[in-house]
Amino acid sequence: DSGVTQTPKHLITATGQRVTLRCSPRSGDLSVYWYQQSLDQGLQFLIQYYNGEERAKGNILERFSAQQFPDLHSELNLSSLELGDSALYFCASGDRGGELFFGEGSRLTVL
Amino acid sequence: AQTVTQSQPEMSVQEAETVTLSCTYDTSENNYYLFWYKQPPSRQMILVIRQEAYKQQNATENRFSVNFQKAAKSFSLKISDSQLGDTAMYFCAPYYGGSQGNLIFGKGTKLSVKP
Repeated sequence: DSGVTQTPKHLITATGQRVTLRCSPRSGDLSVYWYQQSLDQGLQFLIQYYNGEERAKGNILERFSAQQFPDLHSELNLSSLELGDSALYFCASGDRGGELFFGEGSRLTVL
Repeated sequence: AQTVTQSQPEMSVQEAETVTLSCTYDTSENNYYLFWYKQPPSRQMILVIRQEAYKQQNATENRFSVNFQKAAKSFSLKISDSQLGDTAMYFCAPYYGGSQGNLIFGKGTKLSVKP
C-alpha cells in the first residue's frame, strides 16, 4: 500500500462528457503528480502541484485541468472527452528527490 | 528535450537466471536521481531501486542492482535469481528536479520470467 488513494478505480463514460478523478496523497506529502498511461505505453507526465500551487506542467491538453485543495487532495478534470482519452490515470505523491509513490490508478474508458 | 531510451521492448529469462535491462538518457544536468519502477499485471507502479547521480557506488536492493555509468548516461538494471513474480513492465525514470521536477519515463521493457 503506497498510501496514495485514487477514486474512482474504474470509470466508463461517453464521448463529449466530463469526468473528475480524485487523489489523496500520502500523509505528509505536499506534492501531487498526475500521469497518463495509454494502452501499452509509458507514463506521460501531465501536471504537478506543490502545496496548492501548480509547480510543473507537461503535455496536458487544454481540455484537462487540475487543482490541489487546502487539504492537499487533488482533482483532475477531463472534459469534452474523446475516444483517445481512454487510459489509466495515475496520481503520485512524494517530496524526496523524485521518489514517487503511486496510487492504483483510475482506468477511464470513453465509448 | 530530456529523453529516455529503453532499447529492449521485450525480454524473457528463465527462473533463477540473471537478466539485465538497459536504459540510456540524455541530459545536461549534473545532479539528478535515477529510478527503476516495476509495473506488474496489476498495473500498480512499484519502486524497485533508486540511484543518486552524485554517488559513484551502484545501488543494490536485494536481488536488484544497477550499473550506473554517468559519463555514458547509462543506467541498467540487473535482476539476479529471477523469480516468477518479477514478470512485469520495467520503466527507467530519471528525475532532474527544478522546473523539470517530475519523473520522465521510458517506454518500458516487458520482462517475462519463464518456469
